[in-house]
Amino acid sequence: KAGVTQTPRYLIKTRGQQVTLSCSPISGHRSVSWYQQTPGQGLQFLFEYFSETQRNKGNFPGRFSGRQFSNSRSEMNVSTLELGDSALYLCASSYGTGGNTEAFFGQGTRLTVV
Amino acid sequence: AQSVTQLGSHVSVSEGALVLLRCNYSSSVPPYLFWYVQYPNQGLQLLLKYTTGATLVKGINGFEAEFKKSETSFHLTKPSAHMSDAAEYFCAVTLIGGFKTIFGAGTRLFVKA
Repeated sequence: KAGVTQTPRYLIKTRGQQVTLSCSPISGHRSVSWYQQTPGQGLQFLFEYFSETQRNKGNFPGRFSGRQFSNSRSEMNVSTLELGDSALYLCASSYGTGGNTEAFFGQGTRLTVV
Repeated sequence: AQSVTQLGSHVSVSEGALVLLRCNYSSSVPPYLFWYVQYPNQGLQLLLKYTTGATLVKGINGFEAEFKKSETSFHLTKPSAHMSDAAEYFCAVTLIGGFKTIFGAGTRLFVKA
């Protein structure tokens, strides 16, 4: 069974640009969550999707957005990139809906903003 | 609001020594509790979880954790550290029925030969 796949693995962007990151969950998983990981802030929750609906959102500015498609694949978009957006972005998928099931993480997309 | 506190951003132990990584949570009701491990340039991998039932939970690689409601703690232990245990460990909580998992800041474990 294939794991969670995130593309691209590495990305370098310039301030002011926008970026789209992709996440393909494990087959059969309908919940996808996104996290931003930085050395100073640790893992920060961005948002969670289930069946194409955003069920929860973290405390990030509106420049951060996401969506989920009917096949459960998810994308997140960051517009008007800032230097502080440089981070490892992790996607996690899970099967359950009540929070008690394991989240399977992808290897992440490392975004560098210059 | 729920939160997770991991005491000690860095822990160093000798190979063969006891590993103890501390985690306390703040929640109005007992949540689901998880420990994840992250190796360099990798995503997170589940070590163990507590949902209901027995409060002592055994996970992979010889790790275990005990849920103590009275202390709002979920400390991770391993009797004998191995060099391969060197990694970053994250404690996480999810409210029952919730759709958002909160992670602690992480504890980096160093294992000395």
